[in-house]
Amino acid sequence: DVKVTQSSRYLVKRTGEKVFLECVQDMDHENMFWYRQDPGLGLRLIYFSYDVKMKEKGDIPEGYSVSREKKERFSLILESASTNQTSMYLCASSLGGAQGRNEKLFFGSGTQLSVL
Amino acid sequence: AQSVTQLDSHVSVSEGTPVLLRCNYSSSYSPSLFWYVQHPNKGLQLLLKYTSAATLVKGINGFEAEFKKSETSFHLTKPSAHMSDAAEYFCVVSPYNNNDMRFGAGTRLTVKP
Repeated sequence: DVKVTQSSRYLVKRTGEKVFLECVQDMDHENMFWYRQDPGLGLRLIYFSYDVKMKEKGDIPEGYSVSREKKERFSLILESASTNQTSMYLCASSLGGAQGRNEKLFFGSGTQLSVL
Repeated sequence: AQSVTQLDSHVSVSEGTPVLLRCNYSSSYSPSLFWYVQHPNKGLQLLLKYTSAATLVKGINGFEAEFKKSETSFHLTKPSAHMSDAAEYFCVVSPYNNNDMRFGAGTRLTVKP
């Protein structure tokens, strides 16, 4: 079964800190995604990547950046954390590519980030 | 750009009665559409997906959804609700020409005994 691993389940940071959220998948998936989940707002797409070193902005990229240096790893970076970035962050991957486009998303267990 | 609108933030039904969760989408290209379910304190699980084959799609746990292009809708239904169906449901759209996937705001389903 596909495994998507997020490095931390809970994280507490201070305003202004640089924060790294790491995500690793083990099934050679082309696509990787970062979402944040907030009550009443569903999952909002921050960034996604369809290949190594390739990235696309989602609906709410402001205040975030991403890095995909290797196929299996997709990192989300909060350049200067703010209290409004307190949220549950979900990483996902999907097969992607020409044959696997629009396939099922596989999710990590999430990182609950609190910015104080 | 593509987006999805879930028309009800909360739906409450009695056990044994039908469930209808409504979803409308907008997409510049022929989309793929999905429904995911999230039970309390659990991860997201795929219920069903539409990818331009049959317009009526059957999923797990007795759920099904019908793709209606003329109405740009993909409503989720189940003939008879069970207590275990209480959860949050998300409609998701992915356009034909790229790989991104956008979620709706979610519908919380409550099932009363």
